[in-house]
Amino acid sequence: NAGVTQTPKFQVLKTGQSMTLQCAQDMNHNSMYWYRQDPGMGLRLIYYSASEGTTDKGEVPNGYNVSRLNKREFSLRLESAAPSQTSVYFCASSDRDRGVYYFGPGTRLTVT
Amino acid sequence: SQQGEEDPQALSIQEGENATMNCSYKTSINNLQWYRQNSGRGLVHLILIRSNEREKHSGRLRVTLDTSKKSSSLLITASRAADTASYFCATDAGSGYSTLTFGKGTMLLVSP
Repeated sequence: NAGVTQTPKFQVLKTGQSMTLQCAQDMNHNSMYWYRQDPGMGLRLIYYSASEGTTDKGEVPNGYNVSRLNKREFSLRLESAAPSQTSVYFCASSDRDRGVYYFGPGTRLTVT
Repeated sequence: SQQGEEDPQALSIQEGENATMNCSYKTSINNLQWYRQNSGRGLVHLILIRSNEREKHSGRLRVTLDTSKKSSSLLITASRAADTASYFCATDAGSGYSTLTFGKGTMLLVSP
């Protein structure tokens, strides 16, 4: 039981490049989330998926897109990376509304 | 926008001492959760307290909730060096489907 896994662990991009961050959970959770963590800012919600087939914007969605590929997988795409997207990205899942969140280990992204 | 705000931002204590962290929030909530983050890792859930509960215990952790003051506190008793981490409160607010909003965290350093 791996919980929530994220790939890659580290990534360096040049401005304008694109990439997809992958997230998968093996706990049969309905809901999945993408957060970014910046120094002094705590965690901010980018996008979430309440259930398979649905996605919604969070607090800071600009510059990102998401895909809920199936119940297990939720990916985050940066179409044209900007230095302001340098951050640590966390994926999380939960089994129900108002439940406990389980976090992945994070992806540290640097955009130069 | 940040719903919860932790206080203090940083706390340094000796092993064996108690550590108290506070969280204030702005709107009514359904529940409030506390998470721990070790350096370079994902967040790990510690404890959840519902809006109709006033106090909850889990091992060396004690959480209180005062909905009239919109505040919560996390007490860690008999701290150990392994408790060194950042601690975040997260609030679940509103009707319908709800996501967690995290504060900026308290960084706890426990010295041997």
